[in-house]
Parts: sequence; C-alpha cells; structure tokens
Amino acid sequence: SQQGEEDPQALSIQEGENATMNCSYKTSINNLQWYRQNSGRGLVHLILIRSNEREKHSGRLRVTLDTSKKSSSLLITASRAADTASYFCATDRGSTLGRLYFGRGTQLTVWP
Amino acid sequence: SAVISQKPSRDICQRGTSLTIQCQVDSQVTMMFWYRQQPGQSLTLIATANQGSEATYESGFVIDKFPISRPNLTFSTLTVSNMSPEDSSIYLCSTTPRRLARTDTQYFGPGTRLTVL
Repeated sequence: SQQGEEDPQALSIQEGENATMNCSYKTSINNLQWYRQNSGRGLVHLILIRSNEREKHSGRLRVTLDTSKKSSSLLITASRAADTASYFCATDRGSTLGRLYFGRGTQLTVWP
Repeated sequence: SAVISQKPSRDICQRGTSLTIQCQVDSQVTMMFWYRQQPGQSLTLIATANQGSEATYESGFVIDKFPISRPNLTFSTLTVSNMSPEDSSIYLCSTTPRRLARTDTQYFGPGTRLTVL
C-alpha cells in the first residue's frame, strides 16, 4: 500500500514562481526522501532528510520535515520549465533494510 | 552515482506469456529492489533481492507471479509470469551502491515499460 499522500496531485505554475509540494506519511521513519521522474522514466534522487532534521537545502530545493505531524514539504524556488516532472516522496517506514515506500506523487508543470 | 541498466527497455507481450527483465549494476551491491509503476500511479515495492537467498516479497506480491533471481552481486532478474493486461506497467530496479557514503539513497534503473495485450 502507499505510504503517504502528496498534495497537490497536480500543480501548474509559471516560470520564476515557487512550487511547494507536501507529503504526509503514516509510520515512524528514519528518513524521508524526495525523487523526481521525467515522463515515466527512471527516478532521480533529489534530497534526503533524516528524522532528526527539520530543514535541508540543496540548490533551489528546500525540504522541511515535521515528524510530529508526519509531514514534509518540498519547495522549488524560481522554477524553470525544465523542472516539469513528477515528484515523489518516499520513506523507509522505520526500516534500515533499504526498502522505500512511495507517495502518490505530484505532477508539476512549469510554463515558460 | 551508480550506473544501472535494464533490459529490455520496453516490450509488448501477449497475455499468458512471461517476460524476464534484467537489471545490471556497475558495482557490487548488497540489496537490489524491484518496483512496479502502473500507468499514472506511484511506485510500489514488489520485492527485495538478496544475493544467496530467496527474495523477500511485499504484501500482495508472490513468488509464483514474480520470480526473482540474484545470481551475483551485480545482477538480478524479475520475471512477470502468466501476464495479463493488468500487468502493464513500468518495472524498475534500484539499489544502494556500497561505495557511496550515503547508503540510504537509492539509484534507479531507467525502467522497463511492459504492455500486455
């Protein structure tokens, strides 16, 4: 079964705007990760945030994690048309065995 | 990052037949994972493939339908058996290369797009 839910399921914005995607999950976790997928191709890892971290940055990406609310957000600043893709959060459900459980994903469209 | 390749990249198959998907990693890895992504959906973990032992399947997936082999530390296969149109999906393998310090990060193959008629 799906681990979590992304909100919104679809997001459409103009270039230069910021895009915020949210993810909720149901179990305890060691870390939460965000991945990107272009047009049904393989996934690309974007960023990992550990359960004892509250915020993390990587370039134009900012991820927050609130373990009390079991939620995370991914912010993409100054979006570009090339950011158009599906974005997924994934958690380990507290396991250290490497298994990942994905949310439903957000389809982001950035218009030039 | 790790280089992971999959074969075939896509296939169209008749119902009732079986397809074996190969996953090759450019370095030795402990665990390999197989995921299914149905059209317009997210990824669902099928099983974990460990070298030297039987694969561990997630709830809803069984070995008879999705037999997995793991003959060495760089290679795995997933077979989709007795296919039906509901098996039409993208199948992806992933792993966490040993040489990387951030062992939680997984790297994914490009996927195999399967269509069952």
